Amino acid sequence: AQSVTQLGSHVSVSEGALVLLRCNYSSSVPPYLFWYVQYPNQGLQLLLKYTSAATLVKGINGFEAEFKKSETSFHLTKPSAHMSDAAEYFCAVSEGGYNKLIFGAGTRLAVHP
Amino acid sequence: GAGVSQSPSNKVTEKGKDVELRCDPISGHTALYWYRQRLGQGLEFLIYFQGNSAPDKSGLPSDRFSAERTGESVSTLTIQRTQQEDSAVYLCASSRGTGSNEKLFFGSGTQLSVL
Repeated sequence: AQSVTQLGSHVSVSEGALVLLRCNYSSSVPPYLFWYVQYPNQGLQLLLKYTSAATLVKGINGFEAEFKKSETSFHLTKPSAHMSDAAEYFCAVSEGGYNKLIFGAGTRLAVHP
Repeated sequence: GAGVSQSPSNKVTEKGKDVELRCDPISGHTALYWYRQRLGQGLEFLIYFQGNSAPDKSGLPSDRFSAERTGESVSTLTIQRTQQEDSAVYLCASSRGTGSNEKLFFGSGTQLSVL
């Protein structure tokens, strides 16, 4: 079965600093991988997705993620954090050939001045 | 509305009561998914609808949980004889098609609290 592990339930960075949120997956088949963001009192929004095309995926709001098969990782990065990036971030892998997502436990990102 | 709508946004119930949670997907979206998010945990898949049928119910935790969908529209998730461990946010999502390449749109969820 596929699974997703997000290292660090809470990450805190200074405004302007690099954001790095870690995600490792397990899958017996080439995966589709996703990052979702959940702002307070809002539904999940898709940040970006990997679907076996380019290994470096660019998403919205300046985020990007790199698929590394050898490391079974799909870490999310942003060069410079903004206060508005404070939210919970979820990594997910798709299973079953349809849009059934297996989610990680989430990482709450705090950005301080 | 333009997005996935869920109601109620909050539901407080007593242990042993039945509850119904409603999801209105985006018009024209054939696929509909229910997820559960317990406090401090990731989302757990519950059930998936393609049109009116549910090809994958593997995530429903017990026979107290059931879901139905009418037309390619509204879905209701019913929890019978609620237990305290059912307390969670129940999220609904829809997509135009069923492929993994289709974008999922999530509702804001129903916060269920079982006392």
